[in-house]
Amino acid sequence: DVVLTQTPPTLLATIGQSVSISCRSSQSLLHSNGNTYLNWLLQRTGQSPQPLIYLVSKLESGVPNRFSGSGSGTDFTLKISGVEAEDLGVYYCMQFTHYPLTFGSGTKLEIK
Amino acid sequence: EVQLQESGPGLVKPSQSLSLTCSVTGYSITSNYWGWIRKFPGNKMEWMGYISYSGSTSYNPSLKSRISITRDTSKNQFFLQLNSVTTEDTATYYCARKQRLGFDYWGQGVMVTVSS
Repeated sequence: DVVLTQTPPTLLATIGQSVSISCRSSQSLLHSNGNTYLNWLLQRTGQSPQPLIYLVSKLESGVPNRFSGSGSGTDFTLKISGVEAEDLGVYYCMQFTHYPLTFGSGTKLEIK
Repeated sequence: EVQLQESGPGLVKPSQSLSLTCSVTGYSITSNYWGWIRKFPGNKMEWMGYISYSGSTSYNPSLKSRISITRDTSKNQFFLQLNSVTTEDTATYYCARKQRLGFDYWGQGVMVTVSS
């Protein structure tokens, strides 16, 4: 199975600070069709996960543009440019280039 | 609006079967893919499997011998059965819709504890 390693496991940020979360894959996530099926999700406390970004860098509808995704191959990054209080929760990367679909280990964002 | 709602017992005894229902409104399960994902205590998430618009299934190999996902299109519901559960199956179980580019709609989740 593809292992997705997220760092850091916990992130402490102040409001307005910019932060980044890394997601490293044990295999390249570039599919033979040219797409890279690496998504980011956010799970707020007490809520179900919600999609943020798909295909590495494309924002889901309604997601604020302070969120951005980048990367290729095995290294991916989620950046939040100016953290807001509503951004706290656990962030996951997820891949479905390879079977079975796997999730990252999660990064918990806490607000100072 | 697409909505998914999980239901089922919150407590299952070891060695028994875990059975959950996902009721979908606002969209037909005869389109797209419909999956089960679980989150263990802590942060670990695991994709369990899905059933497609045609009724075909795909399962995580780690569960292949224990899992079954079925559906009732007349009720617009799909189901999870996990056999021979142990305490390691204690988790919050989510159902979700998977489109070509990822999971876009999720249920609220149901917490299942495996304990005698």
